[in-house]
Amino acid sequence: EVQILETGGGLVKPGGSLRLSCATSGFNFNDYFMNWVRQAPGKGLEWVAQIRNKNYNYATYYAESLEGRVTISRDDSKSSVYLQVSSLRAEDTAIYYCTRSRDYWGQGVMVTVSS
Amino acid sequence: DVVLTQTPVSLSVTLGDQASISCRSSQSLEYSDGYTYLEWYLQKPGQSPQLLIYEVSNRFSGVPDRFIGSGSGTDFTLKISRVEPEDLGVYYCFQATHDPLTFGSGTKLEIK
Repeated sequence: EVQILETGGGLVKPGGSLRLSCATSGFNFNDYFMNWVRQAPGKGLEWVAQIRNKNYNYATYYAESLEGRVTISRDDSKSSVYLQVSSLRAEDTAIYYCTRSRDYWGQGVMVTVSS
Repeated sequence: DVVLTQTPVSLSVTLGDQASISCRSSQSLEYSDGYTYLEWYLQKPGQSPQLLIYEVSNRFSGVPDRFIGSGSGTDFTLKISRVEPEDLGVYYCFQATHDPLTFGSGTKLEIK
């Protein structure tokens, strides 16, 4: 059974940084691209970042709205993917979802940016 | 960036009737490999989104055949025949052809 669990959310002050983690199991992690998608309260879905697998040289792609403030990474030995977000702003407040090539999704983790 | 325009914004449907959602792209979504990376998602209230359709018309595992995706180029449609209570929620189209990847703004399906 595919399992995806995001951790690392919480309350962060504006200007701060956060590292979200996504632990997975139940599939061969090495074979898949991984994505982060976020959803601000009451709003639609926004794709954030993608990291491809080793076959694609771990290429990374980012939403333009976040580029320069966000870094996606993965550790195949731990079947995990990470999202580092810096210079956090109030508009980064959202549920952040980790997805396996968008076919399986975690339950999401809430990030609140507020003083 | 590719803009996906979904219509209608909301839809109220009688149980058993058909629902249709349109997704129009600002650019062709056909990739150089010949595939069209247009997907449909349903987000039920209080839940994570779930993949319904990938590559325009392929149903993901376990998705009922009441869900039918079609289209090409820049115009795509999701049809839900015989709407059931569990179909309510917000439907999103999504493109993975062009970087950055983008979602449509969503269509809320309500049951009359």
